[in-house]
Amino acid sequence: DAKTTQPPSMDCAEGRAANLPCNHSTISGNEYVYWYRQIHSQGPQYIIHGLKNNETNEMASLIITEDRKSSTLILPHATLRDTAVYYCIVRSGGGSEKLVFGKGTKLTVNP
Amino acid sequence: EAQVTQNPRYLITVTGKKLTVTCSQNMNHEYMSWYRQDPGLGLRQIYYSMNVEVTDKGDVPEGYKVSRKEKRNFPLILESPSPNQTSLYFCASRSRIAGTQYFGPGTRLLVL
Repeated sequence: DAKTTQPPSMDCAEGRAANLPCNHSTISGNEYVYWYRQIHSQGPQYIIHGLKNNETNEMASLIITEDRKSSTLILPHATLRDTAVYYCIVRSGGGSEKLVFGKGTKLTVNP
Repeated sequence: EAQVTQNPRYLITVTGKKLTVTCSQNMNHEYMSWYRQDPGLGLRQIYYSMNVEVTDKGDVPEGYKVSRKEKRNFPLILESPSPNQTSLYFCASRSRIAGTQYFGPGTRLLVL
């Protein structure tokens, strides 16, 4: 599975959009991009995933570049409860279950 | 309620004393995994299972064993724990079709 690169930390003002980038330049054609977040030391929580097209759900939007080498997770109106570590991972759509989590981005939402 | 449960949630033990951390899911998921999380190292996969009686090594399998005798359970076994296995452990599961993983609440282990 491809490795990902994320900035170690970001800050965002409450109520503003938080845009978290992820580079996955070695992603292959059948690999999906997944985003999870971890609040304190709780179990990671699924946010969103995509293959080629941009995706949106009730939590966030995912923008994937046309060459698929990078993506951005957008939290449209960040709240204090969105303060967490956000992980971008890529996973094959085939049978492999071997997943690689990077160190993620620590997002701090400030009042 | 769909969930992944782990027991115990906290455990303090001594070097060499065998222990088992249980993991159970009620979603009929085929795939299950164990991860450990250490400061500055993020989440690292220990073992995974793609179905009953099918297991394989992740990135950091040394010192651990797993078994998958039933679909819902995936216990993590430390035959002879050592202090470097002090960590926060997570179990996760997903269906064969969907890629979304569901994580358990975590087990914090301290090996003295």
